[in-house]
Amino acid sequence: EAGVAQSPRYKIIEKRQSVAFWCNPISGHATLYWYQQILGQGPKLLIQFQNNGVVDDSQLPKDRFSAERLKGVDSTLKIQPAKLEDSAVYLCASSPVAGETYEQYFGPGTRLTVT
Amino acid sequence: GNSVTQMEGPVTLSEEAFLTINCTYTATGYPSLFWYVQYPGEGLQLLLKATKADDKGSNKGFEATYRKETTSFHLEKGSVQVSDSAVYFCALQQAQKLVFGQGTRLTINP
Repeated sequence: EAGVAQSPRYKIIEKRQSVAFWCNPISGHATLYWYQQILGQGPKLLIQFQNNGVVDDSQLPKDRFSAERLKGVDSTLKIQPAKLEDSAVYLCASSPVAGETYEQYFGPGTRLTVT
Repeated sequence: GNSVTQMEGPVTLSEEAFLTINCTYTATGYPSLFWYVQYPGEGLQLLLKATKADDKGSNKGFEATYRKETTSFHLEKGSVQVSDSAVYFCALQQAQKLVFGQGTRLTINP
């Protein structure tokens, strides 16, 4: 079974530029998550999708971050414009809908450096 | 809100030493508890989990017991190896949301 795919793996941009990350979850997984992991901290949930609908985006900085999952499969996270404090690893995870204790499977992440 | 607190790192041990990484949590109700591991250059992997009080999760020689009375889920291993060097994250899950601790970097010296 193929895992969660993310691209690119690394990205360096200047502040005020835009950037987009792509995620393809495990086939058949209805739930998709985007996390932000700042160096030295644990991952923090940015947004959760169930199929193509948003379940929770309470911690997404909506003035600059946006995400979509148009067909309920792959997803894109965008930052526009980027700030220095957005430097982090962006993790995508997916899980099947099978009750409260299902496991989330993580992709390798995209490391973003904003200069 | 829900939160997870892990012992401060980094932790450095010699091979074959006993390992404990402390984790405590704050939550309403009864969350599921997890330990994730992040090896250098790799993504997060689930190491073990426990879904109810007194459950013991185990994998690859690691163990952790869900202690409701002390709201703890400490990670232990009897004899660590160099290959266990990684960052370890304690996490709780409730209402489909994972909340992570800050991570503990573990280095094992031969």
